[in-house]
Amino acid sequence: ETGVTQTPRHLVMGMTNKKSLKCEQHLGHNAMYWYKQSAKKPLELMFVYSLEERVENNSVPSRFSPECPNSSHLFLHLHTLQPEDSALYLCASSQDTGEETQYFGPGTRLLVL
Amino acid sequence: AQSVTQLDSHVSVSEGTPVLLRCNYSSSYSPSLFWYVQHPNKGLQLLLKYTSAATLVKGINGFEAEFKKSETSFHLTKPSAHMSDAAEYFCVVSSRLSPSNQFYFGTGTSLTVIP
Repeated sequence: ETGVTQTPRHLVMGMTNKKSLKCEQHLGHNAMYWYKQSAKKPLELMFVYSLEERVENNSVPSRFSPECPNSSHLFLHLHTLQPEDSALYLCASSQDTGEETQYFGPGTRLLVL
Repeated sequence: AQSVTQLDSHVSVSEGTPVLLRCNYSSSYSPSLFWYVQHPNKGLQLLLKYTSAATLVKGINGFEAEFKKSETSFHLTKPSAHMSDAAEYFCVVSSRLSPSNQFYFGTGTSLTVIP
């Protein structure tokens, strides 16, 4: 395993629900990332955090709300999602944002009904 | 600007035969290049990376890739495919010199290994 864990592994939610995805890294890294992986599309970078500060937000809709309470934990809060938000959500970490190698968690498979 | 093109969305090989997964990149800066592998229901695992050292990079599980600047390519090869190599493979370009060191992923190549 890579040292990055994600929970839950699978999630089904209705469009009016509120849920949260959790990511934890055990590598002592300072940077964490959320990616969205949809079928037949390249991975899309959603958010980047460095030392708990958000440094990148790639025009993600406000129905996705990240939270980084400390350098080991990253959350993605979800509310009023749309069916097209169904995807695999991957968390990654790296030593710093300038460090090139990113280590990925197993992902959360999200289905929005 | 940086981008990656994986030339084949799907590759099928017989067990024991060579594997070639093709990747071309575009980068305004000195690139770093990576190959990641994703097995079903798993996250991405780093296979190998190139960061301006030796142009022939050896990775895990017998994979290697060669950085060819003149061809802007970073193809992934393995001499002999194993059943466990069946997975999705992603080529990635990045640069320490670009803002926030963002990763740019290709669309992936699905490798099937036939017994």
